[in-house]
Amino acid sequence: AQTVTQSQPEMSVQEAETVTLSCTYDTSENNYYLFWYKQPPSRQMILVIRQEAYKQQNATENRFSVNFQKAAKSFSLKISDSQLGDTAMYFCTCYDNDMRFGAGTRLTVKP
Amino acid sequence: DAGVTQSPTHLIKTRGQQVTLRCSPKSGHDTVSWYQQALGQGPQFIFQYYEEEERQRGNFPDRFSGHQFPNYSSELNVNALLLGDSALYLCASSFTDTEAFFGQGTRLTVV
Repeated sequence: AQTVTQSQPEMSVQEAETVTLSCTYDTSENNYYLFWYKQPPSRQMILVIRQEAYKQQNATENRFSVNFQKAAKSFSLKISDSQLGDTAMYFCTCYDNDMRFGAGTRLTVKP
Repeated sequence: DAGVTQSPTHLIKTRGQQVTLRCSPKSGHDTVSWYQQALGQGPQFIFQYYEEEERQRGNFPDRFSGHQFPNYSSELNVNALLLGDSALYLCASSFTDTEAFFGQGTRLTVV
């Protein structure tokens, strides 16, 4: 089974600034997918961004982008122009045969 | 499209009792996964159902069982409840290797 490690339990950033959340993973599969999910206090898990492991190009979704380093098994999330609504728990996940979550990073965006 | 719906939203049970949680997947999705999320932690994978069969299982005891119906909806059953089973239970649905969509969860409290 795969493992996912998020080494930053909490982070904060000023509104409009950029923040990077770190994630490393380990899987024995060649085909897998990586995701970042956001869980606000409403507890609804919301997909932020997705990366297929076979794609070398880093995924981007508006203000969100990833730095996918396959050899290093690293998958960091960069949030640009942070907004107050970005305040949430962020989970890095790896899906091969099932989906495993990291422990999460609590991000606070300060006005 | 109603997305993934879970019922009930909150539940209080007594230690030793049994509980059934329900999940209706997003329209077009055929795979349902269940997760347990303890307070302040990342979701832990319980099991995944596809074509009415348990396809993958995480490290949970046999007290945790499930079922998937022909319409792809699913149930999670937990027998002989322990205080440690208190958690948010999340259901996620997906289709093949697409990203998982999550419900808002069922908050189970065991007293």
